[in-house]
Amino acid sequence: EAGVTQFPSHSVIEKGQTVTLRCDPISGHDNLYWYRRVMGKEIKFLLHFVKESKQDESGMPNNRFLAERTGGTYSTLKVQPAELEDSGVYFCASSQGIGRGAYEQYFGPGTRLTVT
Amino acid sequence: AQSVTQLGSHVSVSEGALVLLRCNYSSSVPPYLFWYVQYPNQGLQLLLKYTSAATLVKGINGFEAEFKKSETSFHLTKPSAHMSDAAEYFCAVSLYNQGGKLIFGQGTELSVKP
Repeated sequence: EAGVTQFPSHSVIEKGQTVTLRCDPISGHDNLYWYRRVMGKEIKFLLHFVKESKQDESGMPNNRFLAERTGGTYSTLKVQPAELEDSGVYFCASSQGIGRGAYEQYFGPGTRLTVT
Repeated sequence: AQSVTQLGSHVSVSEGALVLLRCNYSSSVPPYLFWYVQYPNQGLQLLLKYTSAATLVKGINGFEAEFKKSETSFHLTKPSAHMSDAAEYFCAVSLYNQGGKLIFGQGTELSVKP
């Protein structure tokens, strides 16, 4: 069974440019989460999809971030325009089940984003 | 709001020594608690989780953790460290009514000396 995959693994862009990160969850997992780790800080929740619907986007920093999940399969996270403080590692995770919070989340390797 | 504190951003032990990574949480309701490990260039992998069953939880690779409600702690231990245990370890909490989102501690980098 393939795990959670993320593309690209690294991205270096200039301030003001646009970047799109992609996450492919484990097949059949309804829940998809995005997290971010800024250097030196803890991993922080960004948002949660249940199938194609946004369940919780309370962690999204601002309206420069747009997440979508087409047909309840893969998800994209677009940053437009990118700012220096957006640099960090973006993780995607997926899990089965809906509702209770005890389901194991399977994480992808992350996308390291550097904004210069 | 819930939060997680991991004491020590870096911990160094000798091979064969006890590993103790500390985690304290703050939550208004009983939480679910997790320990994840991240090896270099890999995603986070679940070591173990507490979901209100047994307070002593055994995980993979010989790790275990004990939930202590009175101390609001969930420390991770392993009796004898191996070189392969060198990684970054994350404690996390989630609440049953919040869709499973994880609140993480700052992470602890474990080094194992030969």
